[in-house]
Amino acid sequence: AQSVTQLDSHVSVSEGTPVLLRCNYSSSYSPSLFWYVQHPNKGLQLLLKYTSAATLVKGINGFEAEFKKSETSFHLTKPSAHMSDAAEYFCVYQAGTALIFGKGTTLSVSS
Amino acid sequence: DGGITQSPKYLFRKEGQNVTLSCEQNLNHDAMYWYRQDPGQGLRLIYYSQIVNDFQKGDIAEGYSVSREKKESFPLTVTSAQKNPTAFYLCASSIGPTFTAGTGELFFGEGSRLTVL
Repeated sequence: AQSVTQLDSHVSVSEGTPVLLRCNYSSSYSPSLFWYVQHPNKGLQLLLKYTSAATLVKGINGFEAEFKKSETSFHLTKPSAHMSDAAEYFCVYQAGTALIFGKGTTLSVSS
Repeated sequence: DGGITQSPKYLFRKEGQNVTLSCEQNLNHDAMYWYRQDPGQGLRLIYYSQIVNDFQKGDIAEGYSVSREKKESFPLTVTSAQKNPTAFYLCASSIGPTFTAGTGELFFGEGSRLTVL
């Protein structure tokens, strides 16, 4: 079965430190993968997407993600967290006719 | 500015009442979607529409209904048959039909929060 798993429901970092949000997928297809961000009581906004081109994908606000087929992973990173990065992040997997959302990771950033 | 407008932002309903959530887009997108979001559950697809006058059930369509009479509008009715309607509802659109490789970029509205009293 096709699925996407966000390995941490909550991640806490200090401002200025690196961010790592983990996402694994399970599929026999070659997937397209996306990361979205949601601020409280708002809609989702696309951060970046992987569609079988370069495996290292750069997105908005300094975020990037690396597609690793051997590890079936698509982890989201940022070198230095900012207070405004505090939000919920969703990894989304698309393969065939399926568009599947992970359950989300809440990122907290402390000063 | 182009975008998706959802209204109302907050809505309270008594048990047994139907309510309709509005979703309007001026992006000229063909496809529109309704998702339900519950804490810790991610997003679940209720209904989607690829073209005007056509729509398909998603994963959790029971207790909901939609219409797509105009390209820019895709209202969602939460009926009394929906047993647990309290949730955050998100409307989205995409340029063309999704569910083909690489086209999963969705544009979201700011959501409507429905609370059943």
